[in-house]
Amino acid sequence: DSGVTQTPKHLITATGQRVTLRCSPRSGDLSVYWYQQSLDQGLQFLIQYYNGEERAKGNILERFSAQQFPDLHSELNLSSLELGDSALYFCASSFYSGGFEQFFGPGTRLTVL
Amino acid sequence: GENVEQHPSTLSVQEGDSAVIKCTYSDSASNYFPWYKQELGKGPQLIIDIRSNVGEKKDQRIAVTLNKTAKHFSLHITETQPEDSAVYFCAASRMDSSYKLIFGSGTRLLVRP
Repeated sequence: DSGVTQTPKHLITATGQRVTLRCSPRSGDLSVYWYQQSLDQGLQFLIQYYNGEERAKGNILERFSAQQFPDLHSELNLSSLELGDSALYFCASSFYSGGFEQFFGPGTRLTVL
Repeated sequence: GENVEQHPSTLSVQEGDSAVIKCTYSDSASNYFPWYKQELGKGPQLIIDIRSNVGEKKDQRIAVTLNKTAKHFSLHITETQPEDSAVYFCAASRMDSSYKLIFGSGTRLLVRP
């Protein structure tokens, strides 16, 4: 158990819908990273927040957005969902923004029908 | 752009034998190289990492080597056990303010009893 929690574990929804994925980092960690894992694209970095502020952006679609709240938990919002958005979404946390190991949560499996 | 190539995609070994997984990175500014183990239905678990000022690091049956000149690094697992069976991912990152991880495509390791 990494100490990173993610909810929900599974999410099934329809195309065009909007969902919110939630992540709570390890106690004391200030930085949260979001990754997408799909069969064809592998593990891809989406976005990073550090102490409430966006720090880096990767291959994140404009339909996706995220934020980190004052209590340091983070949410990833996915809107106008398409079939191709079906994937595992992982959250990872680290103490600082750089120089420390990232610990991954158990993931949220999103299925878009 | 940033890219990490990982080989082989699948690896089958007899219990007790050694397993080697190799990765090559493209971004010469990369200086942090973690390895993750992912079991079915779980998030990636950090098993070992190495920074660019070190050529080799060992932790019990696991070792990682880094060749900065050639831009490649390898994971070595000795005395493999059935519980080592999983998907292994290498990753590369810059030690800058972000630390986002660029992952390889993964190696499915099967250890035959």
